[in-house]
Amino acid sequence: NAGVTQTPKFRVLKTGQSMTLLCAQDMNHEYMYWYRQDPGMGLRLIHYSVGEGTTAKGEVPDGYNVSRLKKQNFLLGLESAAPSQTSVYFCASRSTWDQPQHFGDGTRLSIL
Amino acid sequence: AQKVTQAQTEISVVEKEDVTLDCVYETRDTTYYLFWYKQPPSGELVFLIRRNSFDEQNEISGRYSWNFQKSTSSFNFTITASQVVDSAVYFCALSEASGNEKLTFGTGTRLTIIP
Repeated sequence: NAGVTQTPKFRVLKTGQSMTLLCAQDMNHEYMYWYRQDPGMGLRLIHYSVGEGTTAKGEVPDGYNVSRLKKQNFLLGLESAAPSQTSVYFCASRSTWDQPQHFGDGTRLSIL
Repeated sequence: AQKVTQAQTEISVVEKEDVTLDCVYETRDTTYYLFWYKQPPSGELVFLIRRNSFDEQNEISGRYSWNFQKSTSSFNFTITASQVVDSAVYFCALSEASGNEKLTFGTGTRLTIIP
């Protein structure tokens, strides 16, 4: 029962470097989401997708890009990392709007 | 626009005490779902319960109970006889039929159970 798998689990980057976070789900879910969690801020939605080939902006999309080329995968890219992007990133998926989201275990990202 | 408010930022109680976590929501929809999630110190987010807007029955699951009141737009969570393992951050969330792609989260309540 893999559910939602995020890779990597930890990463340290230097300012200006780029990287891609991978989210994979094996539940055939249509909806996928990327959040960031900062102390005292709760979960903030970065980008989301309602199906293969579609993406949309959340509340904090600046500095990030996403792609959903395959239904089971949702990629989050940082083109030029900044210290303000130091955070814990969570991916989630769900089948329909009335169902709960299933979360990955998170990726702890530090930008120096 | 939808909004979820968890006014209690942090709560500490002594083990075996009962504790209630408050959740107040705002929505214009008549059809919506409410959720509670738990985030223990290990960091993962665990789904606890889902409740739809047409079902105001309270729910009990072991030491956990949920009180949904549409009249006050609240969906409160009570832990009875708290245990140290209940220490976590708890999030309330709202999903609307009209804004059906997104889940709106509250900012969470950090619950600490003191042994």
